[in-house]
Amino acid sequence: AQRVTQPEKLLSVFKGAPVELKCNYSYSGSPELFWYVQYSRQRLQLLLRHISRESIKGFTADLNKGETSFHLKKPFAQEEDSAMYYCALSGGYGQNFVFGPGTRLSVLP
Amino acid sequence: GAVVSQHPSWVICKSGTSVKIECRSLDFQATTMFWYRQFPKQSLMLMATSNEGSKATYEQGVEKDKFLINHASLTLSTLTVTSAHPEDSSFYICSARRQGYGYTFGSGTRLTVV
Repeated sequence: AQRVTQPEKLLSVFKGAPVELKCNYSYSGSPELFWYVQYSRQRLQLLLRHISRESIKGFTADLNKGETSFHLKKPFAQEEDSAMYYCALSGGYGQNFVFGPGTRLSVLP
Repeated sequence: GAVVSQHPSWVICKSGTSVKIECRSLDFQATTMFWYRQFPKQSLMLMATSNEGSKATYEQGVEKDKFLINHASLTLSTLTVTSAHPEDSSFYICSARRQGYGYTFGSGTRLTVV
């Protein structure tokens, strides 16, 4: 069964500090992993896809198949990074996907 | 791009009435769309997968007769909440996937049943 876990409901860091949002998954095949962000009163937006291996707004995430993890990292957090972050998994094109419970990141001044 | 438009953004209805929510892919064709429900302070829960030209696939525990899904064209899927009750009050979000763009979400519909 597909499952995504995000152990932290709330993560608070100070501005300029490194941040890591944890995501672990369970899936029998080769999944696609995503990170979505939801800023206050805005729609969900795609932040990262593991396939593209890109860095968006300073965030990176590496898929670790051995540990079944896809942690989101940023070396220096900014106040505007405060938002709700969801890790999601998909079985592939045309497949639905499953969201993790989300982690609220609060970057303090 | 890959833009999904969802309408209405919010709706208030009386208990017992039906409400239709539309989800449109504006600049691409979506053979598959997804409907999610988000409870306050909770993550999104997949309700059903909407397939163009065929019946929707519902997740376990989601009432098919309660939440009617129609995907009559490659750019439109509708979710109708029939005989709405206060417990149906929630935030409903649709999503579609465009090849090369990943999943795109609508802005959501806040349904309040009074």
